[in-house]
Amino acid sequence: EVQLVESGGGLVQPGGSLRLSCTASRFTSRFTFSGYAMVWVRQAPGEGLEWVSYISSSSDSIYYVDSVKGRFTISRDNAKSSLFLRMNSLRAEDTAVYYCARYNWNDGKAWFDPWGQGTLVTVSS
Amino acid sequence: DIQMTQSPSSVSASVGDRVTITCRASQGIGSWLAWYQQKPGKAPNLLIYAASSLQSGVPSRFSGSGSGTDFTLTISSLQPEDFATYYCQQIYSFPFTFGPGTKVDIK
Repeated sequence: EVQLVESGGGLVQPGGSLRLSCTASRFTSRFTFSGYAMVWVRQAPGEGLEWVSYISSSSDSIYYVDSVKGRFTISRDNAKSSLFLRMNSLRAEDTAVYYCARYNWNDGKAWFDPWGQGTLVTVSS
Repeated sequence: DIQMTQSPSSVSASVGDRVTITCRASQGIGSWLAWYQQKPGKAPNLLIYAASSLQSGVPSRFSGSGSGTDFTLTISSLQPEDFATYYCQQIYSFPFTFGPGTKVDIK
């Protein structure tokens, strides 16, 4: 069973920075981290889900939701089966639980699975 | 951007009830739609992908249908563990967008 584990969340002041990590563990020979695109999704307290960013398996395609463009940077290290989200110029509205998830694509179908347990980012003075 | 709407926003139901949730996309997305279940304090869990494909391990009482702009998630006989919030998501084009969620609670 594949597990994704996020880390790096915490309390940060407005305008500050934070780097989130997501590490894949317990993958079997059928799952190679480097073979999959990955995504970040966030959820503000009491709110719904919001997709934040996507990175292809080789990092050659990257996308962001408009609200974080120019402030957040997604990256990955396939050798370490790790995904990252660098967050700069943080705002109160970035306060959320951040989830990483594997992007699956097969024969014209796509879905996010599995998901990590999430890491909470709180932006407050 | 593609906007996703869901109805109802909440539904009160009893164990054994049939529950149907509707999801609508602001433009056609083919079958590029997924459904997730989320319980309080937990990560979302994939139920349905490609509008109607049941994820491995998900009980068969869950089913999805639709294509284009209109989709439904049906729980044929609600079980105690199904009380949760359900989200649809379009994976047709960036930015991927989720519906606002439908909360299913106990009547």
